[in-house]
Amino acid sequence: NAGVMQNPRHLVRRRGQEARLRCSPMKGHSHVYWYRQLPEEGLKFMVYLQKENIIDESGMPKERFSAEFPKEGPSILRIQQVVRGDSAAYFCASSPSRQDPKAFFGQGTRLTVV
Amino acid sequence: KQEVTQIPAALSVPEGENLVLNCSFTDSAIYNLQWFRQDPGKGLTSLLLIQSSQREQTSGRLNASLDKSSGRSTLYIAASQPGDSATYLCAASMDSNYQLIWGAGTKLIIKP
Repeated sequence: NAGVMQNPRHLVRRRGQEARLRCSPMKGHSHVYWYRQLPEEGLKFMVYLQKENIIDESGMPKERFSAEFPKEGPSILRIQQVVRGDSAAYFCASSPSRQDPKAFFGQGTRLTVV
Repeated sequence: KQEVTQIPAALSVPEGENLVLNCSFTDSAIYNLQWFRQDPGKGLTSLLLIQSSQREQTSGRLNASLDKSSGRSTLYIAASQPGDSATYLCAASMDSNYQLIWGAGTKLIIKP
């Protein structure tokens, strides 16, 4: 049973480009959470999704950021018109249910905006 | 608003020592508290999860305690090894809220 898979592991984008980060949850997990870790800071919650639904996006910046978790395929975190301040590690976690307290994390995508 | 703090930010000890990492939180109404390990350039590995009704959890050389009344959790590492070198993060989950609120981590270096 593969763990949570994130790709790409490293992503370099120029300012103004779009970044797409993918997360495939563990088999049997329908709940996905995205977190961002800025350099030298702790992780911050961004968004919680179930299949085809955004449950809580209270941690998402209001502009340029969006997330989806379609019925088929991975969850996508999309950042439009990236800026230097978007450079961070983006982690995805999954769990089988909202009640299950333990989430499994992917290895993260390190986004560098140049 | 829940805040999670980890002190110290960095710690370097000789191999073989027992050590304690500290995590404090401001709101005692937590659902659970987890300790994670983060290796450079890699993902997060869950080490121990303590439910709010529990006081401690053990896994091998690791023991985590939880004292809700004082807003503290500790991670005890026995007989430290160089392979224990990593950043250790604690994260609190509030009530039944799935959101994890993270400390900034303690970077641990075990010197051979």
